[in-house]
Amino acid sequence: GQQLNQSPQSMFIQEGEDVSMNCTSSSIFNTWLWYKQDPGEGPVLLIALYKAGELTSNGRLTAQFGITRKDSFLNISASIPSDVGIYFCAGQLYPGGTSYGKLTFGQGTILTVHP
Amino acid sequence: EAQVTQNPRYLITVTGKKLTVTCSQNMNHEYMSWYRQDPGLGLRQIYYSMNVEVTDKGDVPEGYKVSRKEKRNFPLILESPSPNQTSLYFCASGQEGLGDTEAFFGQGTRLTVV
Repeated sequence: GQQLNQSPQSMFIQEGEDVSMNCTSSSIFNTWLWYKQDPGEGPVLLIALYKAGELTSNGRLTAQFGITRKDSFLNISASIPSDVGIYFCAGQLYPGGTSYGKLTFGQGTILTVHP
Repeated sequence: EAQVTQNPRYLITVTGKKLTVTCSQNMNHEYMSWYRQDPGLGLRQIYYSMNVEVTDKGDVPEGYKVSRKEKRNFPLILESPSPNQTSLYFCASGQEGLGDTEAFFGQGTRLTVV
């Protein structure tokens, strides 16, 4: 199946710094998704990208769907302590004519923000 | 309140003893799926369902069964659990439409098989 490589695996930053993480795939995807997981909780969808080249923002978060459809990045600007958590990228293919298919996740980026 | 509810949240069982983890959503979503989360591996999809009576294998279906007899419920069945199925399990649901893909995850079920 598809493999997603997410980097970096972990980041330790100071409050106020900007953060950048990315995912690359050996295969193309129709959709790229970015999730955040807080300790003891399930992942929460942050941003969904549906078209190659698409750049989407959600508050201090910005994500892009790569032109090749094999990569995506997530930027967080002016980090704050509540940004701490695990960030996952995920890619989705649409099999046949249906709207949903297998969702493949990256390994996650553990973000630590020092006040 | 829109939510995905998994039960139980924690479970310790012995090898070979059949168990079921329930998942229920109250959003009338067509799409539901199960994932397991292991350190360094992210979330891996076990099974997914696009609608009632329609299920498909994800990346790691071996040792698991699912059923989708009703739209709101999607139980995960381990007929003969083994220690390598010790993991954190998440159920998710979503609805066709921009921005709703895989939008809701349950809070997780931590399973230990001894």
